[in-house]
Amino acid sequence: DTGVSQDPRHKITKRGQNVTFRCDPISEHNRLYWYRQTLGQGPEFLTYFQNEAQLEKSRLLSDRFSAERPKGSFSTLEIQRTEQGDSAMYLCASSIANEDEKLFFGSGTQLSVL
Amino acid sequence: GQQLNQSPQSMFIQEGEDVSMNCTSSSIFNTWLWYKQDPGEGPVLLIALYKAGELTSNGRLTAQFGITRKDSFLNISASIPSDVGIYFCAGVPQAGNNRKLIWGLGTSLAVNP
Repeated sequence: DTGVSQDPRHKITKRGQNVTFRCDPISEHNRLYWYRQTLGQGPEFLTYFQNEAQLEKSRLLSDRFSAERPKGSFSTLEIQRTEQGDSAMYLCASSIANEDEKLFFGSGTQLSVL
Repeated sequence: GQQLNQSPQSMFIQEGEDVSMNCTSSSIFNTWLWYKQDPGEGPVLLIALYKAGELTSNGRLTAQFGITRKDSFLNISASIPSDVGIYFCAGVPQAGNNRKLIWGLGTSLAVNP
């Protein structure tokens, strides 16, 4: 396994459009996380899955954001009606059970909303 | 939200020099972690610390869990050009859970060959 994979690496969209990002975690990791990072900041927690169950969501995750992990493997993060403030790096990470703090991050999807 | 204070914000050093950076909090943490992020990539875990006073090394990197449980330190010895990047501390607060790490703002390191 080559690690956590995210697609696309970059996305440019116009305000109001919907975007969807995909994350493929390390295969033996049952925990998957989405984080958002803006310039000069550390990653901010968005949501967390254990297998296919979404167990925690940050208040940062507005109604326009939805994440799924339908079969407990890959995950998607969708942003509807994008706003300029959504521009950020969206990072996916995975971990094994009982070692949640040891996150393995993907390379991220850089979103630019024009 | 809660954040960790990292210092310095940035450093510019000569190759071969040693580097020290730290991370502090106003509250007690149960776990401290140090990650490194290269431009355009996600953070990579360097060192994890779980007990007050713990000193752990990873190659030229050494990190310590502060005795007060409110701080942590990272040292890099004999820096090389590939050490360039942003170093983040992260932690699990005593009242928190390890699924929602608290992150610092990072220390940006530049190394002059």
